[in-house]
Amino acid sequence: EVQLVESGGGLVQPGGSLRLSCAASGFTFSSYEMNWVRQAPGKGLEWVSYISSSGSTIYYADSVKGRFTISRDNAKNSLYLQMNSLRAEDTAVYYCAREAVAGDFDYWGQGTLVTVSS
Amino acid sequence: SSELTQDPAVSVALGQTVRITCQGDSLRSYYASWYQQKPGQAPVLVIYGKNNRPSGIPDRFSGSSSGNTASLTITGAQAEDEADYYCNSRDSSGNHPFGGGTQLTVL
Repeated sequence: EVQLVESGGGLVQPGGSLRLSCAASGFTFSSYEMNWVRQAPGKGLEWVSYISSSGSTIYYADSVKGRFTISRDNAKNSLYLQMNSLRAEDTAVYYCAREAVAGDFDYWGQGTLVTVSS
Repeated sequence: SSELTQDPAVSVALGQTVRITCQGDSLRSYYASWYQQKPGQAPVLVIYGKNNRPSGIPDRFSGSSSGNTASLTITGAQAEDEADYYCNSRDSSGNHPFGGGTQLTVL
């Protein structure tokens, strides 16, 4: 069974940093592209970042470019999101999502809540 | 532009057919995928590619595309289909934008 489990969310002050993790199991993690998607309270889904299966290709949404860093450790079956210079508008539930061959997000984690507030 | 546009809200009578649309330039080159999200839950993939359903998704869900518009059709809507629906695609820059979402109400 495919499982994605996010962790690392919490309350952080504006300007602070947080590192999210996504533990993958039930599939060959190193063969799949991965993404982070977030959802602010009461708002829609927003794609945040993409990483290729090897980690050699990375993309970011303009809203987080220069502040967030996506990475992965295929030996540990884990995906990460390092978030720096956090702003109130980064408050959201952050999901990791597996990207299938057709480019769709076929499996999602349950999400981890990040709250940026003083 | 990588933006995808959806109607904010749509309603359908129980058992009737409803179409939810998604517009964007990237849809001329890439297929849309569709996600259903119920309150407090993670999104669930319901349609991907030209018109494919993941295992477990009822066949009343179907997808289509023409020009810059992708559509999700629910034929014979059920009460449990009431949810938010999001389209997603990719663009030539590697972005994977979502549409703003459509809140579906089943009357």
